[in-house]
Amino acid sequence: KQEVTQIPAALSVPEGENLVLNCSFTDSAIYNLQWFRQDPGKGLTSLLLIQSSQREQTSGRLNASLDKSSGRSTLYIAASQPGDSATYLCAVNTGFQKLVFGTGTRLLVSP
Amino acid sequence: DAGVIQSPRHEVTEMGQEVTLRCKPISGHDYLFWYRQTMMRGLELLIYFNNNVPIDDSGMPEDRFSAKMPNASFSTLKIQPSEPRDSAVYFCASSPRPVDRPTNEKLFFGSGTQLSVL
Repeated sequence: KQEVTQIPAALSVPEGENLVLNCSFTDSAIYNLQWFRQDPGKGLTSLLLIQSSQREQTSGRLNASLDKSSGRSTLYIAASQPGDSATYLCAVNTGFQKLVFGTGTRLLVSP
Repeated sequence: DAGVIQSPRHEVTEMGQEVTLRCKPISGHDYLFWYRQTMMRGLELLIYFNNNVPIDDSGMPEDRFSAKMPNASFSTLKIQPSEPRDSAVYFCASSPRPVDRPTNEKLFFGSGTQLSVL
């Protein structure tokens, strides 16, 4: 059974810092991996999708990497801002859009 | 497009009552998903549809849960009878038809329904 773990569970940083969120999964047989952002009381917003054949994806200040063989992905946020404060979830696609979600990292960026 | 629309945003009901959650996916999306989020278990896939047909309902917890998609623009998730342990946030999501299989399309989530069963 696929299990997805995110470390750390919570992170608090001052504005301007670069930071890395980690995601690990137990079964490397995935089709893609997505990073989502969830704001309190809101739904999830897809940030980046990395296909299994790719190593990384970039969008603005966000960069996500994937090492499928080792079961790891990282989300790098450059020059963090208070508006980045949210919960970040990774999810692996085990086939036909069946996503298994991680436990999430709650990020707080202080001004 | 307005995105995935869910109603109601909040639902408070008493144990034993029937609860119906509603979802309108993004127009043109072929896949629709129902997820449940709790503090203890995180986000779990309950059921998903492809072209209005239920494909995988292995995540539906019990016979008390049922889901329908009568047409491409509407889906319901029903709980009858409801129990306090059903309290959670229920999300609906949709995605476009994949270019190839398995799909590599992003999922688009609604804002969720916060269900409280007393």
